[in-house]
Amino acid sequence: EVQLLESGGGLVQPGGSLRLSCAASGFTFSSYAMSWVRQAPGKGLEWVSVISGSGGTTYYADSVKGRFTISRDNSKNTLYLQMNSLRAEDTAVYYCAKARGYSGYDPSSYSFDYWGQGTLVTVSS
Amino acid sequence: QSALTQPASVSGSPGQSITISCTGTSSDVGSYNLVSWYQQLPGKAPKLMIYEGTKRPSGVSNRFSGSRSANTASLTISGLQAEDEADYYCSSYAGLSTFVVFGGGTKLTVL
Repeated sequence: EVQLLESGGGLVQPGGSLRLSCAASGFTFSSYAMSWVRQAPGKGLEWVSVISGSGGTTYYADSVKGRFTISRDNSKNTLYLQMNSLRAEDTAVYYCAKARGYSGYDPSSYSFDYWGQGTLVTVSS
Repeated sequence: QSALTQPASVSGSPGQSITISCTGTSSDVGSYNLVSWYQQLPGKAPKLMIYEGTKRPSGVSNRFSGSRSANTASLTISGLQAEDEADYYCSSYAGLSTFVVFGGGTKLTVL
């Protein structure tokens, strides 16, 4: 059974930093791209970032480019999102999502067949 | 404002069929038959219901079907059941600069 378990969310002040983690199990982690998708309170879904199965390719939404960094440790089956220079508009539930594809170049890597339960990030003073 | 346009809400009675539209542009829905549909129950994570426009993942009921015409994709749910009440989101691959775009979501109410 595929399981994705996020952690690391919490309350942070504007301009602060936070690192999210997503522990994966039930599938060959290194064989699939992984993404972070966020959902602001009462709002829709917004894709944040993708990383290829090897970790060699990463892409970001314009809204987080230069502030967020996605990474993965395939030896630990864990996905990360380092979030710096946080803004109020980054407040959201952050989901890690398993892609159907392997690379960032593969369109199937932007369709997500399993999602974690999410972790809430609140940016406020 | 979301990149893909969905109706804010739809409703139907048990047993009926409903269709949710998802309108994009020639840069996303119109260029790629790579629309996905997700169901989000209250307080839960999204669940993939349709991918590549028309394909159902294993375990998803065949009451759910997808289609596309030009820049608009659609999700049809037939034989509506109370358990189908949820928010539904479409997404589309949008190329290697925008990557993926989502719709704003549609709240389905089963009367």
